[in-house]
Amino acid sequence: DAEITQSPRHKITETGRQVTLACHQTWNHNNMFWYRQDLGHGLRLIHYSYGVQDTNKGEVSDGYSVSRSNTEDLPLTLESAASSQTSVYFCASSDRTSGHNEQFFGPGTRLTVL
Amino acid sequence: KNEVEQSPQNLTAQEGEFITINCSYSVGISALHWLQQHPGGGIVSLFMLSSGKKKHGRLIATINIQEKHSSLHITASHPRDSAVYICAVIGNQFYFGTGTSLTVIP
Repeated sequence: DAEITQSPRHKITETGRQVTLACHQTWNHNNMFWYRQDLGHGLRLIHYSYGVQDTNKGEVSDGYSVSRSNTEDLPLTLESAASSQTSVYFCASSDRTSGHNEQFFGPGTRLTVL
Repeated sequence: KNEVEQSPQNLTAQEGEFITINCSYSVGISALHWLQQHPGGGIVSLFMLSSGKKKHGRLIATINIQEKHSSLHITASHPRDSAVYICAVIGNQFYFGTGTSLTVIP
C-alpha cells in the first residue's frame, strides 16, 4: 500500500546543530508539504513543493530549508536549531493532478531543541 | 489575524449525542478540508469539499460558500470519535483552524 513516512519519529538536539527530518511518500504525489504544530497555533505551513526542483516558502519558513531532488522525498533541514523550533513536524502530500488537493499526512516527528 | 475560526474550541458530549463543529473563514477558497487528529497524533483526512454536502458513515460535512462557513456533524457519537477536528481551507495558500477538541463520554 502507498504511504507517507517520516523519520525520525522523535529527535532531541542541541541549540545550533543542523537537523534534517526525512519525509518519504510512495503515492507518487506531485505536491509535498511541511507543517509544524504548536499549541494554540494549529498547523502552520513551513515549506512546500509542487514537483521536482520546485520549492516554496510557507508562513513560517525562517530557519528552515527544503530540497526536492525526486518525487518521493522532501527533507526538511533546520540549519541552526533554536529552542523556538521545538515542535511536532508533519509532512503531507497531495496529488495536484486529481484536482482535489486532499492531503495525506505522515505520522509526525516530535523535535526537541535543548 | 485568523483566516479560519473554529467553534467550539472544546466539546464534551455523551455517547449517542449529535455533534456539530463549525468553521468560518475569511478568504476566498477553492476547497475546504476537514481533518481528524487522534490522541496519538496522527492526522487523517475526513472530507474535502467545495460545495454542498458530503456524508461518510456517521459523519456529514456541509459548506456554504456564500456565507464562508462549514459544519461537521457527527451523528450517534461514540467514544472512539474523541479527537481533535481541524478545519483547513485552500485559497492562495493553506490556512488551518486551531482545532476543536471533542471528548465523547460513554
